[in-house]
Amino acid sequence: RKEVEQDPGPFNVPEGATVAFNCTYSNSASQSFFWYRQDCRKEPKLLMSVYSSGNEDGRFTAQLNRASQYISLLIRDSKLSDSATYLCVVNPRGSARQLTFGSGTQLTVLP
Amino acid sequence: EADIYQTPRYLVIGTGKKITLECSQTMGHDKMYWYQQDPGMELHLIHYSYGVNSTEKGDLSSESTVSRIRTEHFPLTLESARPSHTSQYLCASSESPRGSANTGELFFGEGSRLTVL
Repeated sequence: RKEVEQDPGPFNVPEGATVAFNCTYSNSASQSFFWYRQDCRKEPKLLMSVYSSGNEDGRFTAQLNRASQYISLLIRDSKLSDSATYLCVVNPRGSARQLTFGSGTQLTVLP
Repeated sequence: EADIYQTPRYLVIGTGKKITLECSQTMGHDKMYWYQQDPGMELHLIHYSYGVNSTEKGDLSSESTVSRIRTEHFPLTLESARPSHTSQYLCASSESPRGSANTGELFFGEGSRLTVL
C-alpha cells in the first residue's frame, strides 16, 4: 500500500463548479500535511498547508481528519486557471527530508 | 518567485555518456534536494543535503551522485547514463527554521528532463 494515495482523476468540471479531492495517508503519526499544485510539465508549488482545525484561502478549503487519516481540498467557483495536478503531501516526522508526495489528482476546468 | 535554477532543461544523450545536471539557488537555503518524477507518478527523493559537505541518499535508490561544495550549488552526476535513467529530475531547496517541525515548503526548480537513447 502506498503511503499517500490519491484518486488520479481526471476530474473534468465546468467553470464555476465546486470540486473536492481526497487523499489518504497510512502513517498515523504523520505531523503535517500540504497541498501542492503542479501545472503540466512544470514544477510543483505549495498551494496551502493543512491545519487540524481546517483552513481556507480564498476559494480553497483544506481539511484534515486524523481519525480517518485523510485530508481534503475543496475548490469553489472553479476557474480555467485552476486546471492542474494537485499533489497531496504528508510529512511523517516533521523533517522536510521525509515529505511523501502523492501521485496527484488531475483537474481540468472546462469553459 | 523562487530563485532556484536548473540546467539543462532538456537533455537527450546516448547510452554510456557522463552527464551532470546543475542546480543553483540564491536564497541561502541550507537544505537542498533532488527528486525524480516519471509522467503521472509521484515524486521520489533520490538525494538530499543539509548543508555544505553534507549529502545523503533518499528513499529511491539511484545510481547518480551529488556534491555540495557551496551552499548555493547542488549538482547531480550520472557517470554512465542508461535508458532506465530517462526521467524528469527536480531540484528543490528549503529553509531550516529553528524550532519548527512544520517544514513543508519546498521551492522547486523547473526541472531537467533527461532522455537516454
